[in-house]
Amino acid sequence: NAGVTQTPKFQVLKTGQSMTLQCAQDMNHEYMSWYRQDPGMGLRLIHYSVGAGITDQGEVPNGYNVSRSTTEDFPLRLLSAAPSQTSVYFCASREGPVYEQYFGPGTRLTVT
Amino acid sequence: EDKVVQSPLSLVVHEGDTVTLNCSYEVTNFRSLLWYKQEKKAPTFLFMLTSSGIEKKSGRLSSILDKKELSSILNITATQTGDSAIYLCAVGYITSYGKLTFGQGTILTVHP
Repeated sequence: NAGVTQTPKFQVLKTGQSMTLQCAQDMNHEYMSWYRQDPGMGLRLIHYSVGAGITDQGEVPNGYNVSRSTTEDFPLRLLSAAPSQTSVYFCASREGPVYEQYFGPGTRLTVT
Repeated sequence: EDKVVQSPLSLVVHEGDTVTLNCSYEVTNFRSLLWYKQEKKAPTFLFMLTSSGIEKKSGRLSSILDKKELSSILNITATQTGDSAIYLCAVGYITSYGKLTFGQGTILTVHP
């Protein structure tokens, strides 16, 4: 099992550009989430999904879109990048609400 | 608004010391509290505590959930330099199944 994979590992964008952060898991987990991590702020939930076709907003959803067309994949789209979106992004998955959550290795995004 | 607060925000100790990290929460529909350790990269799971499992132990690490005080502690005995990390706690919900709310983390530094 590869677990949770994320691409790319690093990305630099200019303000206003769009891009998609990829996330995939091979554990057949129904629940997937996207977080951003900024210094001193822990992990903040952006969007999450409890199954294919079902997504919901977390604490900081503005400027980000998600979709879940398959169980395996949960891409995060930045519509028009802003410097405030400079952060480390983690994707995570778990089997259900009473199971541990597994994290991907993260994507470090810089917006200039 | 749901809140998860960790204290202290940072802690410096010497090898062999015992540390206690705190996590308090004010959330509706509490289901579980999770502890994670984050070294250079992605968080790794330590413990999950629920109403049916309020105390967990693994080696030198142990954790207790106090549902009356709405808090949890993570104890690390006989600390080692390898315990240096960010320790994160998160709360899961009875409703909003896919959602976890994280605290801001405690940075633990263990000096030789």
